[in-house]
Amino acid sequence: GAVVSQHPSRVICKSGTSVKIECRSLDFQATTMFWYRQFPKKSLMLMATSNEGSKATYEQGVEKDKFLINHASLTLSTLTVTSAHPEDSSFYICSAREGTSVYEQYFGPGTRLTVT
Amino acid sequence: AQSVTQPDIHITVSEGASLELRCNYSYGATPYLFWYVQSPGQGLQLLLKYFSGDTLVQGIKGFEAEFKRSQSSFNLRKPSVHWSDAAEYFCAVGASKTGGFKTIFGAGTRLFVKA
Repeated sequence: GAVVSQHPSRVICKSGTSVKIECRSLDFQATTMFWYRQFPKKSLMLMATSNEGSKATYEQGVEKDKFLINHASLTLSTLTVTSAHPEDSSFYICSAREGTSVYEQYFGPGTRLTVT
Repeated sequence: AQSVTQPDIHITVSEGASLELRCNYSYGATPYLFWYVQSPGQGLQLLLKYFSGDTLVQGIKGFEAEFKRSQSSFNLRKPSVHWSDAAEYFCAVGASKTGGFKTIFGAGTRLFVKA
């Protein structure tokens, strides 16, 4: 089956620094990738949708200058949390959709971000 | 607007007992429905999906779900629960939006399995 990886799985950073999270589709080409944020014991909140080679589309209320998304290739998307603050601490999950499948997406294992 | 409701925040079931997790959706057109499972600290794994056709859908790990249009429901069932089934379960609906398609998740139901 389709596999999506995320790196790192856990990261701790200091307030004010930036941290980059990578999302890779390992065995398929992902024309679209999604970034979600999940608060403790809560559901997934879609942050943005990124299509390869174009700017990401952010959901309402998500700061695009704070959460920078780059989808430079068909197998890699990155989420950079800039000037991180403790309130940015969360579980970030990416998913990827194969070009031929409009409705199915494959999820990465998630990245636990802790900002101290 | 599209939405997904999972009425039960958590459910406790004895090992070996049957399970039903409820899911109701709101969507104007024919929905694309999914059930995902998430173990602690992990991503989501797709259990099953419904796009069209037979309204009783079989998934992995012995799970099934039934699409009932008249009730706007897509409940997940398993005849005999195993301790390893303890996890968070999310129902989701695929919805069209400007520029593409996105998945809307319910709030999740936490399943506890007791010996």
